[in-house]
Amino acid sequence: GQQVMQIPQYQHVQEGEDFTTYCNSSTTLSNIQWYKQRPGGHPVFLIQLVKSGEVKKQKRLTFQFGEAKKNSSLHITATQTTDVGTYFCAGPRRGSQGNLIFGKGTKLSVKP
Amino acid sequence: KAGVTQTPRYLIKTRGQQVTLSCSPISGHRSVSWYQQTPGQGLQFLFEYFSETQRNKGNFPGRFSGRQFSNSRSEMNVSTLELGDSALYLCASSTGGTASYNEQFFGPGTRLTVL
Repeated sequence: GQQVMQIPQYQHVQEGEDFTTYCNSSTTLSNIQWYKQRPGGHPVFLIQLVKSGEVKKQKRLTFQFGEAKKNSSLHITATQTTDVGTYFCAGPRRGSQGNLIFGKGTKLSVKP
Repeated sequence: KAGVTQTPRYLIKTRGQQVTLSCSPISGHRSVSWYQQTPGQGLQFLFEYFSETQRNKGNFPGRFSGRQFSNSRSEMNVSTLELGDSALYLCASSTGGTASYNEQFFGPGTRLTVL
């Protein structure tokens, strides 16, 4: 069946280091969304990418959508303790009318 | 605008009981989706309601059911609870239509513990 996989599952970094999480889909996606869930919180929408090869930036966060629209990445430059949380990617669930399938997320911890 | 609200926030039940969780979406949002979140399985999709109709359904047993009211508020019910049903249950609302093109706004979740 359709799968959305994220690696790594966990990442521990020293504050100031960079961080990247990768999202890979078993199928071509029409778009991909990224969410962040802080510890004890709920997922919060970060961004949506639609175009092949698209790159979007939000301050220290850079999001990319692969040329084949089957993979995506989120890169954080110079991590801060406020970046702690789990980052999820999500794409349209195949065969559904407007429903998302989520990756299992990458849990980021930042050591001050 | 008020965000998505879920009640109750915490719930403790015993095996065999049933439970009803409630979700009030953001005003104007017609789509409500329910997810089960556990450490091992991540965010698992339960079902989605749009304009009082179940539009999509995940791979969960029939013990999990839901409904949506005319004001878009939604409830989910789990009957004959099992220990494995212990999880954070999240609902998310969106404007509707093709929801995958719209961001989902999540509620704070209901933490269900089954003893």
